[in-house]
Amino acid sequence: DAKTTQPPSMDCAEGRAANLPCNHSTISGNEYVYWYRQIHSQGPQYIIHGLKNNETNEMASLIITEDRKSSTLILPHATLRDTAVYYCIVRVAYNNNDMRFGAGTRLTVKP
Amino acid sequence: DGGITQSPKYLFRKEGQNVTLSCEQNLNHDAMYWYRQDPGQGLRLIYYSQIVNDFQKGDIAEGYSVSREKKESFPLTVTSAQKNPTAFYLCASSIQGATDTQYFGPGTRLTVL
Repeated sequence: DAKTTQPPSMDCAEGRAANLPCNHSTISGNEYVYWYRQIHSQGPQYIIHGLKNNETNEMASLIITEDRKSSTLILPHATLRDTAVYYCIVRVAYNNNDMRFGAGTRLTVKP
Repeated sequence: DGGITQSPKYLFRKEGQNVTLSCEQNLNHDAMYWYRQDPGQGLRLIYYSQIVNDFQKGDIAEGYSVSREKKESFPLTVTSAQKNPTAFYLCASSIQGATDTQYFGPGTRLTVL
């Protein structure tokens, strides 16, 4: 079972920031938060991950609350090509069989 | 997709036939994985391998078999014992390290007629 809760769908206007929430209220101290996205009929693409601190890379920013029970993935300037299903996953490092993908959030970026 | 290739993109087989899906990586990753995805759902782990000549069952291994004779290759055989083999199959790999980020191939869509 997935350890996260995400809204099933969200819309975002092109050029605006997309903020995708994820609840993981039962997260353990040694579990990381990962985000992947999947464009239709393609393999999932890694976006970003974090443990406690906020993280930023060329694709997105990850904001993790202080109690670590929720997080938000931010796409700062969404484009039409960002339309995809976004998966939030929590997993223990070094545990190869612990990648649990739920249904994710279907983000639609509109012109 | 990185350096992970899966072939073919689409595969059709008759019911009762075994079929082998290819997964190759040139990333020098130690660990490799197979997942299954059904329409509108997330991924489910079939098998994974941390090193050559070793592999472990995931959550839905029944009706599947794998081998890991080379570091670069992790083929998956869908046997006739798999009750509902039609699905999208995804291969991934990761380097053994602190966070084991998995990188995925483009997938193979298997349809059993």
